[in-house]
Amino acid sequence: KQEVTQIPAALSVPEGENLVLNCSFTDSAIYNLQWFRQDPGKGLTSLLLIQSSQREQTSGRLNASLDKSSGRSTLYIAASQPGDSATYLCAVPLGGGTSYGKLTFGQGTILTVHP
Amino acid sequence: DAGITQSPRHKVTETGTPVTLRCHQTENHRYMYWYRQDPGHGLRLIHYSYGVKDTDKGEVSDGYSVSRSKTEDFLLTLESATSSQTSVYFCATTLGGGTTDTQYFGPGTRLTVL
Repeated sequence: KQEVTQIPAALSVPEGENLVLNCSFTDSAIYNLQWFRQDPGKGLTSLLLIQSSQREQTSGRLNASLDKSSGRSTLYIAASQPGDSATYLCAVPLGGGTSYGKLTFGQGTILTVHP
Repeated sequence: DAGITQSPRHKVTETGTPVTLRCHQTENHRYMYWYRQDPGHGLRLIHYSYGVKDTDKGEVSDGYSVSRSKTEDFLLTLESATSSQTSVYFCATTLGGGTTDTQYFGPGTRLTVL
């Protein structure tokens, strides 16, 4: 069974810091990995999707890397801002083969960026 | 955001009553999913649909049923609600369920079973 772990569970940083969020998964037979953002009381918003053939993806101040062989992904946030405060979740396909987009999620990292 | 709406957004009900949650999407996405989110468990897949009238179970399907009679609507039914089903329920969609397909989420329904 695929299990996803995110470390740290919570992170509090001053504005302007560069930071790294970690995600690990137990079954390396994945075809993609997604990072999502969730604001309090809201749904999830997709930030980045990395296909298994890729090593990293970038969107603005966000950079996500994927190392399938070691079962790890990192989300790097540059020059953090108070508006980045949210819960960040990573997700990988549930089960092997054709998973039809079914996902299994980590429990998330709660990020707080202080002005 | 794939134009996903969920109704109701909040509901309080009593143990033993049936409850139906609705997910509606406007982007003609083929795949639709129901997840529940609970503290300590994160998001877990309840059921999913890969087309009209085509549905299958997820990780935590006991006590839930689904139906999809139209592309745009995916209904989640709790046949007889229990307190353990108190949760926040999210609907999600993807265009084709493939390796490059991003998943889009609705705003969620907060369900409390007393």
